[in-house]
Amino acid sequence: KAGVTQTPRYLIKTRGQQVTLSCSPISGHRSVSWYQQTPGQGLQFLFEYFSETQRNKGNFPGRFSGRQFSNSRSEMNVSTLELGDSALYLCASSLMSGARNTDTQYFGPGTRLTVL
Amino acid sequence: KQEVTQIPAALSVPEGENLVLNCSFTDSAIYNLQWFRQDPGKGLTSLLLIQSSQREQTSGRLNASLDKSSGRSTLYIAASQPGDSATYLCAVYHGNQFYFGTGTSLTVIP
Repeated sequence: KAGVTQTPRYLIKTRGQQVTLSCSPISGHRSVSWYQQTPGQGLQFLFEYFSETQRNKGNFPGRFSGRQFSNSRSEMNVSTLELGDSALYLCASSLMSGARNTDTQYFGPGTRLTVL
Repeated sequence: KQEVTQIPAALSVPEGENLVLNCSFTDSAIYNLQWFRQDPGKGLTSLLLIQSSQREQTSGRLNASLDKSSGRSTLYIAASQPGDSATYLCAVYHGNQFYFGTGTSLTVIP
């Protein structure tokens, strides 16, 4: 069974631009969560999508948005990029969502975003 | 707000040694706790998942325990190997999201 895939693996953007990251979950998984990982803040939850609906959202500004398609693939968009958005963006998939999330989360390799 | 702390931040041990990594969390109302390893520049690999009603889980040389009432979990690694060198993260599912610790960077010296 193929794992979680993320594209692209690396991105370099300049301040003010916008970026779209993609995540394909494990086949059959309906929940996709996104995280930002930085050396200073560690791993922080961005949002979770389940069956094309945003279920939960972390404490990030509205510049960070996402969506999920009917095949469970998810995209994350960051508009008006800032230097502080440089990070490793990870997505994770699982079978279920929320409080019923008794399942393991499976992570992708991440997208390394550098903002210049 | 849930806060997850991992001690120590870094650990270096000789090959073959048994070791314990610690994770503590401030709010005991968790659904589950998960231990991950992360290799440099890569994503996270799940090691063990403990449901809130469980006390421990074992997989090979790894054993994780959970004491929800005291807000603590430990990851025990037996007979460490150089391939165990990585950053180990614990995460708790609380409210509507996972909260991660900052990790313990483990180096196993051959």
